[in-house]
Amino acid sequence: DAGVTQSPTHLIKTRGQQVTLRCSPKSGHDTVSWYQQALGQGPQFIFQYYEEEERQRGNFPDRFSGHQFPNYSSELNVNALLLGDSALYLCASSLTNEQFFGPGTRLTVL
Amino acid sequence: AQSVAQPEDQVNVAEGNPLTVKCTYSVSGNPYLFWYVQYPNRGLQFLLKYITGDNLVKGSYGFEAEFNKSQTSFHLKKPSALVSDSALYFCAVRDIGSNYQLIWGAGTKLIIKP
Repeated sequence: DAGVTQSPTHLIKTRGQQVTLRCSPKSGHDTVSWYQQALGQGPQFIFQYYEEEERQRGNFPDRFSGHQFPNYSSELNVNALLLGDSALYLCASSLTNEQFFGPGTRLTVL
Repeated sequence: AQSVAQPEDQVNVAEGNPLTVKCTYSVSGNPYLFWYVQYPNRGLQFLLKYITGDNLVKGSYGFEAEFNKSQTSFHLKKPSALVSDSALYFCAVRDIGSNYQLIWGAGTKLIIKP
């Protein structure tokens, strides 16, 4: 079992650009959650997908959007990037209560 | 509002000594409580959880945590620290009744000195 995988591992973008991050959940998991972790802080919940729909959303603007595919993999899209979007973006998959995290994608916005 | 507090930014412990990393929480209903560890440039690794039942929960790598409902605490403990335990530790809570998201503490950096 490969566990949760994320791609790419690192990404550099400039302000105003758009970015897509990808996540493949752990085998058998049907729920994917996305988190933003700024340097020196705890993760902040962005949203959670279940059965290809956004089940819950945290306090993030509409520039942050996502998608879940029939195979449960997921994408996080961020439009009109701001400098403050620079962070580690974590994907977590779950079947019940315990969330398993991927290694994250480090996004740097210049 | 739901919240998690980790009152110590950093905890320093000598190798072989017991360690405690503190966590308190606030939820409106019954909590699910979690501890995760993060090593440099790595994702978060699950250590243990409290859902219901015995207040003392045992987890990975010899860690345990005690759920105290009256003090709304869920402190992480280990009887004998290892240098390899040095990492960033996060406490997280989910309010069973209201939603699916995990609310996270700011993290505590644990440094184990040889």
